[in-house]
Amino acid sequence: DSGVTQTPKHLITATGQRVTLRCSPRSGDLSVYWYQQSLDQGLQFLIQYYNGEERAKGNILERFSAQQFPDLHSELNLSSLELGDSALYFCASSVTGGPGNTIYFGEGSWLTVV
Amino acid sequence: GENVEQHPSTLSVQEGDSAVIKCTYSDSASNYFPWYKQELGKGPQLIIDIRSNVGEKKDQRIAVTLNKTAKHFSLHITETQPEDSAVYFCAAPKRDTGNQFYFGTGTSLTVIP
Repeated sequence: DSGVTQTPKHLITATGQRVTLRCSPRSGDLSVYWYQQSLDQGLQFLIQYYNGEERAKGNILERFSAQQFPDLHSELNLSSLELGDSALYFCASSVTGGPGNTIYFGEGSWLTVV
Repeated sequence: GENVEQHPSTLSVQEGDSAVIKCTYSDSASNYFPWYKQELGKGPQLIIDIRSNVGEKKDQRIAVTLNKTAKHFSLHITETQPEDSAVYFCAAPKRDTGNQFYFGTGTSLTVIP
């Protein structure tokens, strides 16, 4: 158990809908990350927050947004869902947000869009 | 562009044999290389990492070697056991803001009892 908690574990929703994925980082970690894992794209970095502020942005679609709250938990919002958004979404965390920090992954949220 | 290449994509070994997975990276400034193990239905779990100031690191049956000149690093698993069966990912830092990583495409390791 990495100490990173994600909910829900599984989610099935229809195209066009909106969902929110939640993440609690490891105790003491200030930075959270969101990754998407699909069969054809591998692990893709979406976005990183550090202490409530966006630190880095990767291949995150405009339909997706995220935030990190004062208590350091984070949410990833996915809207106008398409079939291609079906994937595993991982949250990870690290102590700080700088380069070379070890990141620890949660168990993931499996999203199926039908 | 900067990325990480990982080989092989699949690997089958007999229980007790060794397994080696190799990754190459392109940015000579990269200085931290973690390895993750992902079991079916679970998140990637850090199993070992190495920083560029050392050439090798061991943790029981797992070792990682780093060749900075050739820009490649390898995961070595000795005395493999069925529970080692999983997908293994290497990663290298992306020179950009924050703490981003390039991940390899994964190696599916099967240990045959």
